[in-house]
Amino acid sequence: GENVEQHPSTLSVQEGDSAVIKCTYSDSASNYFPWYKQELGKGPQLIIDIRSNVGEKKDQRIAVTLNKTAKHFSLHITETQPEDSAVYFCAAPPLSNKLTFGGGTRVLVKP
Amino acid sequence: KAGVTQTPRYLIKTRGQQVTLSCSPISGHRSVSWYQQTPGQGLQFLFEYFSETQRNKGNFPGRFSGRQFSNSRSEMNVSTLELGDSALYLCASSLTSGRVEQFFGPGTRLTVL
Repeated sequence: GENVEQHPSTLSVQEGDSAVIKCTYSDSASNYFPWYKQELGKGPQLIIDIRSNVGEKKDQRIAVTLNKTAKHFSLHITETQPEDSAVYFCAAPPLSNKLTFGGGTRVLVKP
Repeated sequence: KAGVTQTPRYLIKTRGQQVTLSCSPISGHRSVSWYQQTPGQGLQFLFEYFSETQRNKGNFPGRFSGRQFSNSRSEMNVSTLELGDSALYLCASSLTSGRVEQFFGPGTRLTVL
C-alpha cells in the first residue's frame, strides 16, 4: 500500500520567515496530493492541492511543488504569520478517496 | 454553503458498549469518507461510502462499520468498544468518489473508559 513520510515533525520559525515541509510517497499510481492544516480542536482544512500533471501551484503565501520522478512534494509558506501556527498534513490517495496521510508537522510561528 | 457537520461532538462510553456517529456532508456531495485520528497512529482511513455503497475499506476490524443513506448522510458504528478506540473520528465529504478534494468536518471526540 501507499506509504507517506513527512518531515520535519516540528518546525519553529520566526514571524516573516519561510517554512518548508517535505513529503515522500511510495505508490507511483498516486496523482493527487493535498495539504491540510489542522488547528486545535478542529478538523483538517484543505489549504492547497496539486495534481501530477503540474509541477508547482501557488495560492498567495502558500505554494506546493511536486517532483514525480523522485516521488516527493513540498509545501512552502512564505512571510509566515502567527495564524499559520498549526499542524500540517500531506496526503496521497493511491486509490479513490482513500487518503494516506503523512505523520504531520507541527509549525510554530514565533512573533 | 454549510460545511460538513458531525454529531455528537463529544462522547464518553465504557468498554463493551457500542456507539453510532453521524455525518452530514456538504450539500450536493455524494461521497463520505471516515478517518480515525490518534496521537500514536495519526490519521487513518476507515471507509468510504458513495451512493449508499461502501467503495473502499481501511485496515480496521469488523467492529467498525458504516452506512450511507439516500440523502448522502452517513453513520459509522463501533461495537464492543475497546480502550484503544478512543480517538477523534473525522468525516470527509467530496462531490464524487475518486481523487478529488475532500472537506473535513470538526470530528467527534470519543473517549472509552
